Amino acid sequence: DQQVKQNSPSLSVQEGRISILNCDYTNSMFDYFLWYKKYPAEGPTFLISISSIKDKNEDGRFTVFLNKSAKHLSLHIVPSQPGDSAVYFCAASLLITQGGSEKLVFGKGTKLTVNP
Amino acid sequence: NAGVTQTPKFRVLKTGQSMTLLCAQDMNHEYMYWYRQDPGMGLRLIHYSVGEGTTAKGEVPDGYNVSRLKKQNFLLGLESAAPSQTSVYFCASSTGLVYEQYFGPGTRLTVT
Repeated sequence: DQQVKQNSPSLSVQEGRISILNCDYTNSMFDYFLWYKKYPAEGPTFLISISSIKDKNEDGRFTVFLNKSAKHLSLHIVPSQPGDSAVYFCAASLLITQGGSEKLVFGKGTKLTVNP
Repeated sequence: NAGVTQTPKFRVLKTGQSMTLLCAQDMNHEYMYWYRQDPGMGLRLIHYSVGEGTTAKGEVPDGYNVSRLKKQNFLLGLESAAPSQTSVYFCASSTGLVYEQYFGPGTRLTVT
């Protein structure tokens, strides 16, 4: 059962335009959402996050929107740059009741290509 | 700061062989994690640790063991490697909670 879904395996946009990456989740207990970016042959790097009590968080060219009623979040990149070409993973935080710690549940990723 | 480092970067094993992957972090993080990433899949949690001397199972723990004898190190062991364990393994660390995990560069393991 996939709790975090990124239904678009790939996305291609022109440099300077907006990139919109989407993520859907099924578990209403998720309390924190994150986006990670991954370049080939490197580990993922944290990009931006949002708490479940907010509906928007902005950091420079990156904005994450959260629609809790739809269980949907999206990452907007404006303007897109060729260096943004990477795989983007959506992740959601879930409290593990045993031991009280939390874990991240990752989507399968969306490969973004920004064409010059 | 080196951040999170992983040793080795690449390894080829034969079925039934054993090996240990080493993860080290110099950020004094309490939490450490081992993930695997397979083609078309997201990262799946194998085991994690909330502090020195503690370990816990993640989503896909079978066939793996871990140890956290020192705060800065988290070891992932394969006792008897199987082709299904061919994957890219990532180690990560974080402060008290899972937010903003810092990942290592990965270890590409092939089991033939």
